[in-house]
Amino acid sequence: SYDLTQPPSVSVSPGQTASITCSADQLENKYVSWYQQRTGQSPILVIYEDIIRPSGIPDRFSGSNSGETATLTITGTQPMDEAEYFCQVWKSNSVVFGGGTKLTVL
Amino acid sequence: EVQLVESGGGLVQSGQSLRLSCAASGFTFSSYAMSWVRQAPGKGLEWVSGISAAGDSVFDADSAKGRFTISRDNSLDTLYLQMNGLRVEDTAIYYCTKNIFSLPAGRGGVFDSWGQGTLVTVSS
Repeated sequence: SYDLTQPPSVSVSPGQTASITCSADQLENKYVSWYQQRTGQSPILVIYEDIIRPSGIPDRFSGSNSGETATLTITGTQPMDEAEYFCQVWKSNSVVFGGGTKLTVL
Repeated sequence: EVQLVESGGGLVQSGQSLRLSCAASGFTFSSYAMSWVRQAPGKGLEWVSGISAAGDSVFDADSAKGRFTISRDNSLDTLYLQMNGLRVEDTAIYYCTKNIFSLPAGRGGVFDSWGQGTLVTVSS
């Protein structure tokens, strides 16, 4: 199986930059998507095809993918960004999600 | 505005069946692939199954193969998930999702809209 590895938790102060990583073998050869899930809510897509931000997603969210690591970066993090974030790829006729990273803004 | 409204969840015993439905609105349903993604209580996201816009291509997770069947009725703008032989480990919130393209695979394996989810609880 193909495993996407994310850190369980990341903490950031308001206004600072948060970086959430997603690692896997040859990840740069795949398109990575990122989803935000606030507590008690459904996930929403915040980045797809490594770097594309869907309409309505603030430009403080950005993505990158190089080597074996994709990164979701939140610049000028706001309290409302506190949530769990999941990376995701398509691999071998299947969707694979990372285990999720809980972002705490404090 | 895209709306996806799931229904059909509930409490069942191990081995029983359920059929989930997802009523879609706010977009041209027949132009987009659709998928089901589940989330066990306190756990991460797990993809279950995806179906092409025309309904002629289906992709299933290993956990769904042989037990779950995804289908759609483009005349009713509705997505379905027939779940047979349910197990305790199938207990989860099941989300209906809209894929970004007409195929749920490759670049299309991206979910740009999610429903509120329906809870399926399987007891032993």
